[in-house]
Amino acid sequence: SQKIEQNSEALNIQEGKTATLTCNYTNYSPAYLQWYRQDPGRGPVFLLLIRENEKEKRKERLKVTFDTTLKQSLFHITASQPADSATYLCALVRDTGRRALTFGSGTRLQVQP
Amino acid sequence: DAGITQSPRHKVTETGTPVTLRCHQTENHRYMYWYRQDPGHGLRLIHYSYGVKDTDKGEVSDGYSVSRSKTEDFLLTLESATSSQTSVYFCACQDEGDSPLHFGNGTRLTVT
Repeated sequence: SQKIEQNSEALNIQEGKTATLTCNYTNYSPAYLQWYRQDPGRGPVFLLLIRENEKEKRKERLKVTFDTTLKQSLFHITASQPADSATYLCALVRDTGRRALTFGSGTRLQVQP
Repeated sequence: DAGITQSPRHKVTETGTPVTLRCHQTENHRYMYWYRQDPGHGLRLIHYSYGVKDTDKGEVSDGYSVSRSKTEDFLLTLESATSSQTSVYFCACQDEGDSPLHFGNGTRLTVT
């Protein structure tokens, strides 16, 4: 069955360090992958999209990589700040039937000042 | 950002009662989605819509139905609520097939 796995344990890092979050998937051949941020009591907010033919995408302090051979995406936040503390979700488009996004369960990031 | 609102924001209901959750968007986006979010499961797709009167089932559609009679409105109905449907429900809209989803801030539903 198709599965998306994100580390369910919270990631705790010090302010200024680089946070790296992992998204692994099985039995998918996604055309693209998206990353979202979710704060408590709010809906997810889109951050970045990376396509299967792109190795890396950057936006300000954010960087996403996409390795279709390893079936893995890495999400990096450089020079992390306490305001970056949130849950980060990866999402893949289903590659069968009508295309809709399937989400991982998310990884909570806590940046300590 | 897309204007998308969900109502109600909170609801407590009893087992066996019907419940309708509403989602309204002001962006004229074609695609709309209903997800539920539970601890340890992340967001799971319930139903989605590719346009007016064009809906399809997601991975956890049992016990739920939807209707979309207008582009801007997407309704989720629990015909007979059960305790397993206690969850936070998120609606989202999307302009094109691979564009970002814009989410509402959720409805917290408790079935007692």
